[in-house]
Amino acid sequence: EVQLVESGGGLVQPGGSLRLSCAASGFTFSSYEMNWVRQAPGKGLEWVAYIGSDGGPIYYADSVKGRFTISRDNANSSLYLQMNTLRAEDTAVYYCARLRAFDYWGQGTLVTVSS
Amino acid sequence: DIQMTQSPFSLSASIGDTVTITCRASQSISTFLNWYQQKPGKAPKLLIYAASSLQSGVPSRFSGSASGTDFTLTISSVQPEDFATYYCQQSYITPGFTFGQGTRLEIK
Repeated sequence: EVQLVESGGGLVQPGGSLRLSCAASGFTFSSYEMNWVRQAPGKGLEWVAYIGSDGGPIYYADSVKGRFTISRDNANSSLYLQMNTLRAEDTAVYYCARLRAFDYWGQGTLVTVSS
Repeated sequence: DIQMTQSPFSLSASIGDTVTITCRASQSISTFLNWYQQKPGKAPKLLIYAASSLQSGVPSRFSGSASGTDFTLTISSVQPEDFATYYCQQSYITPGFTFGQGTRLEIK
């Protein structure tokens, strides 16, 4: 059974940093491209970042470019999102999702940016 | 960037009705269009990929179609568990796997 489990969310002050993790199981992680998608409270879905199966190519939404870094560890079936210089508008539930048609999603982890 | 315009913003339906949700792309995306269902507090679920292919395990009352840059999600004979928010998403152009604004399906 395919499973994606996010962790690392929490409360952080504006300007702070946070690192999200996504642990994958039930499939050959190294063969699949992965994404981060977020959803602000009461709002719609926003794609955040993409990474190819072997670590490249990498793409970001304009809203996070230069502040967020997506990476992966295929040996440990894990996906990461390093988030720096966080802003209030980054407050959202962050999901990891597989493929470009996001066929599997994690349960999400809440990031709250507030002083 | 490709814009995805989804309509209506919300709609009301009764059990057994057939409902249609539309998504229009700002430029050609071939058939790289996916539909998701999201219930409150849950992650989205893939229903339709490549405009008209039914994801495994999804009931056959869900269907998708395409005509140029216009895409349609149809739910035939709406069931109680179908009341949710639906999103379209283009997976044609990187970067930017753009989502539509969402359509909330409510019970009448």
